[in-house]
Amino acid sequence: EVQLVESGEGLVQPGGSLRLSCTASGFTFSNYAMHWVRQAPGKGLEYVSAVNHNGGTYYVDSVKGRFTISRDNSKNTLFLQMGSLRTEDMGVYYCARGSDSGGNAPLDYWGQGTLVTVSS
Amino acid sequence: DIQMTQSPSSLSASVGDRVTITCRASQGIFNYLAWYQQKPGKVPKLLIYAASTLQSGVPSRFSGSGSGTDFTLTISSLQPEDVATYYCQKYNSAPRTFGHGTKVEI
Repeated sequence: EVQLVESGEGLVQPGGSLRLSCTASGFTFSNYAMHWVRQAPGKGLEYVSAVNHNGGTYYVDSVKGRFTISRDNSKNTLFLQMGSLRTEDMGVYYCARGSDSGGNAPLDYWGQGTLVTVSS
Repeated sequence: DIQMTQSPSSLSASVGDRVTITCRASQGIFNYLAWYQQKPGKVPKLLIYAASTLQSGVPSRFSGSGSGTDFTLTISSLQPEDVATYYCQKYNSAPRTFGHGTKVEI
C-alpha cells in the first residue's frame, strides 16, 4: 500500500525557516517524481514544487530562492526546506507522488498534509 | 504561463442530477488534464487523468472529456458522497497549475 507521511508541522515567525519531510512507503521511491502542493486556509490548491526521479527541480515563482526541494532516495524521504517565510506561505502542505518518473504526470497519491503557520 | 479557468465556482444540485464542471486552459494542453476531488476536511484524490481516463476505484458515474483547451468533468447521477470541491490541473509542463475549484453541494 502506498503511503506518504508528512512531518515538520510548526509555527514560525515571518522571516523564519522550517523544514518539511515526507516519508514514503509501499513503492520504489526512487522511480517517481515527487511534488509539494499547498492549500491556504479556506482556499484552493496551489502547486509549489517538484523533484523528478533524477533530481531535476521546479519551483513556482512565489517561492523561488526561498524554498528548496530535495530527496533522499536511500531513506525514501522528500524534503522541503522553507526560508524567509511570509504570512502568505501559511497553510497545509501536501506531498504527492507523480504517477511516473518525470514531472508531467498526474498526482496519484497524496499525504495527509502538514500545517505551516506563519505568525508573529 | 497557462491559466486554468474553472466554471462554475460553485453549484447546488439534487441527488440524481447530472452535473457538469468545465475547465478551460488559456493555451492548448493536449489531453494533459487531471481532475481531483477534495471532500471537506480531506485530502485531494485523483479522479481522472489524461482528460478522460478514470483512476482505478473511481465510480463510473464520473467521466471526463475534452482536449486542447476545453475540458469537462461530468457526474452522471449526483450522490450525497459527491459533495466536495473539484479541481482541474494541467500537467503537460511547468507550472502544473490547478484551477480555482468548483464546490458542489446538494
